[in-house]
Amino acid sequence: QVQLQESGPGLVRPSETLSLTCTVSGGSISNSYWSWIRQPPGTGLEWIGYIYSTGSTNYNPSLKSRVTMSVDTSKNQFSLKLSSVTAADTAVYYCARRHDYVENWGQGILVTVSS
Amino acid sequence: QSVLTQPPSVSGAPGQRVTISCTGSSSNFGAGYDAHWYQQLPGRAPKLLIYGNSNRPSGVPDRFSGSKSGTSASLAIIGLQAEDEADYYCQSYDSSLSGLGVFGAGTKVTVL
Repeated sequence: QVQLQESGPGLVRPSETLSLTCTVSGGSISNSYWSWIRQPPGTGLEWIGYIYSTGSTNYNPSLKSRVTMSVDTSKNQFSLKLSSVTAADTAVYYCARRHDYVENWGQGILVTVSS
Repeated sequence: QSVLTQPPSVSGAPGQRVTISCTGSSSNFGAGYDAHWYQQLPGRAPKLLIYGNSNRPSGVPDRFSGSKSGTSASLAIIGLQAEDEADYYCQSYDSSLSGLGVFGAGTKVTVL
């Protein structure tokens, strides 16, 4: 059973860059699509984007100018960077497997944007 | 405002049947894209409940069933149990979002 685990800072200052990593265990990151999804407190889910194991990406148009995703197959990890964050980016961030629907979710990490 | 519309809440007594609707449009369900459903218990990550309109992953009880017709999809819970109290989200693709997945706003199921 594939398992995913998010890691990174839980607090980011406004205007700085949010950086998260997802470590995949129980299976290879190769030949698969991997996604990032977020959920602001008390609200619904938003698909940030996805990356294929070769590095090709597709980002949400509303976030595209600030998002960068990357993959490190040697470490079985993929990453998210979101630049110029504001309070509106405060959310639980989930990493996930697949891009058409989510077969496996990480447990989620709360990232708060505050000075 | 999500492109997939769900009722904010539904409720039912233990043992009853409840259904959750998910209304889309010609750019998602009507374009042939599948419906998927997730259950989110309080404080937990969502969990895949139904994929490909009506398929259950291993381990999901057969009390949960999904269907899709035209521009709408629905999730039925037959024989409601206390542990089914959770938020439920529908999801599909939408051609207006560059092929990214899109979620409904979620439906809170309350077991009376």
